[in-house]
Amino acid sequence: DAGVTQSPTHLIKTRGQQVTLRCSPISGHKSVSWYQQVLGQGPQFIFQYYEKEERGRGNFPDRFSARQFPNYSSELNVNALLLGDSALYLCASSLAANQPQHFGDGTRLSIL
Amino acid sequence: GQNIDQPTEMTATEGAIVQINCTYQTSGFNGLFWYQQHAGEAPTFLSYNVLDGLEEKGRFSSFLSRSKGYSYLLLKELQMKDSASYLCAVSALGTTGTASKLTFGTGTRLQVTL
Repeated sequence: DAGVTQSPTHLIKTRGQQVTLRCSPISGHKSVSWYQQVLGQGPQFIFQYYEKEERGRGNFPDRFSARQFPNYSSELNVNALLLGDSALYLCASSLAANQPQHFGDGTRLSIL
Repeated sequence: GQNIDQPTEMTATEGAIVQINCTYQTSGFNGLFWYQQHAGEAPTFLSYNVLDGLEEKGRFSSFLSRSKGYSYLLLKELQMKDSASYLCAVSALGTTGTASKLTFGTGTRLQVTL
């Protein structure tokens, strides 16, 4: 069975640009969460979606937005990119909101 | 808010046992998770505790005391491949009661030596 898949694996952008990251959950998983991880730190919670609705939001600016589609895949959008947005962006899926989350390999975003 | 503390680094010898502690403060506690993360890779789920006590999974065990806000991950018969960061993460219910926010500690970097 396929695990959580994320695309792209790597991305280079410049300040002020916009980026869209994509995530496909494990088959049967209805909850998708997004995290940002900078080097040497644990993942920081950005969003959780369950049944296509936003169920949780972390302490990130409005430049960050996300959505979940009817097939439970998800996109994370970041506008007006800043140098500080350079990080590994992880997507995790779970059967339900309070079940163990399983992570994809992440998208490494570099801002120049 | 939530606060999670775990040691930054630990070193242990191959074949030995190591215990990685995690203390937390949170409201709406909904479970505690341990993840393993090798450098440059995504976190891998290891264990989940929602009730007090010990959960055993092969060489890995995890313990939880909700009243003390304390958990530990026990790794037995250490192998070189166990060198990685170990992340403690606490799940707390959101205000609607239908979503869980997973808050991670900064991770404990374990180095297994010969």
